[in-house]
Amino acid sequence: QVVLTQSTSVSASLGASVKFTCTLSSGHSSYTIAWHQQQPEKGPRYLMKVNSDGSHTKGDGIPDRFSGSSSGAERYLTISSLQSEDEADYYCQTWGTGIRAVFGGGTKLTVL
Amino acid sequence: EVQLVESGGGLVKPGGSLRLSCAVSGFTFRSYSINWVRQAPGKGLEWVSSISSSSSYIYYGDSVKGRFTISRDNAKNSLYLQMNSLRAEDTAVYYCARAGEGGSYFDYWGQGTLVTVSS
Repeated sequence: QVVLTQSTSVSASLGASVKFTCTLSSGHSSYTIAWHQQQPEKGPRYLMKVNSDGSHTKGDGIPDRFSGSSSGAERYLTISSLQSEDEADYYCQTWGTGIRAVFGGGTKLTVL
Repeated sequence: EVQLVESGGGLVKPGGSLRLSCAVSGFTFRSYSINWVRQAPGKGLEWVSSISSSSSYIYYGDSVKGRFTISRDNAKNSLYLQMNSLRAEDTAVYYCARAGEGGSYFDYWGQGTLVTVSS
C-alpha cells in the first residue's frame, strides 16, 4: 500500500517562497499526487495534481504563485510571494492499491 | 459554480445511527464519482468511501466497512452516507468531495458537517 510522507510544519516570511515535499513510498515513484490546501476552520481546497514527469494541472482559480514539480519519488508544491492567507495546512493525496484514497499527514505552514 | 453542501451532522450516542447528505450543483452530478472524507478534531484527512457515477462501484475504508453505507440519487443530485453502530472514534467533520478526471484525486470539496459521537 502506498504511503505519503510530509514534514509536520514549515515557516516562511511574508513575500518569500516555500517548497513543500510529499514523498511516495518505495515502489510507487510513478504515482500522480494531488495537493490540497486547508485554511483554518475551512474545508479543503484542491490546488493541483502533479505527475511523475513534473507536469501539473491546477484547479480553478489557483493563482500563478502556486506551482508543482517532481523528482523521483518526491512531489513538490511551491508557493512564491507568500501572503498571509497562504497560512494553512497542506495535504498531498493519491489513490492507492486496494481501491482507496491515501493522504499524507499534512504540513502546517506558518507565515511570519 | 460547483457547489457541494453537506448536512445531517449532529450529536449521537455510541451505537446510534445518522444519515448525512450532500447536495450538489454546478456540474452534471451523474457523470462523476463522489467521495466522503472525514477529519477528526485536530487530525488529518481520512478517506471514508467512494461511489462511482452509476453506483456500480462502491468502496469503503477499513475503519467503516460494514457499518457505513454510501449511496446516491442522480435524479436529486444528492449523495448520502448512512452511518450505523457509531463509535466515539467516528467523531469528525465529514466532507463530500468530487473525484476529478480519472477518479484518482478530489477536485471540489464541500464545507463539511460535524458528527459528534458521545454519551
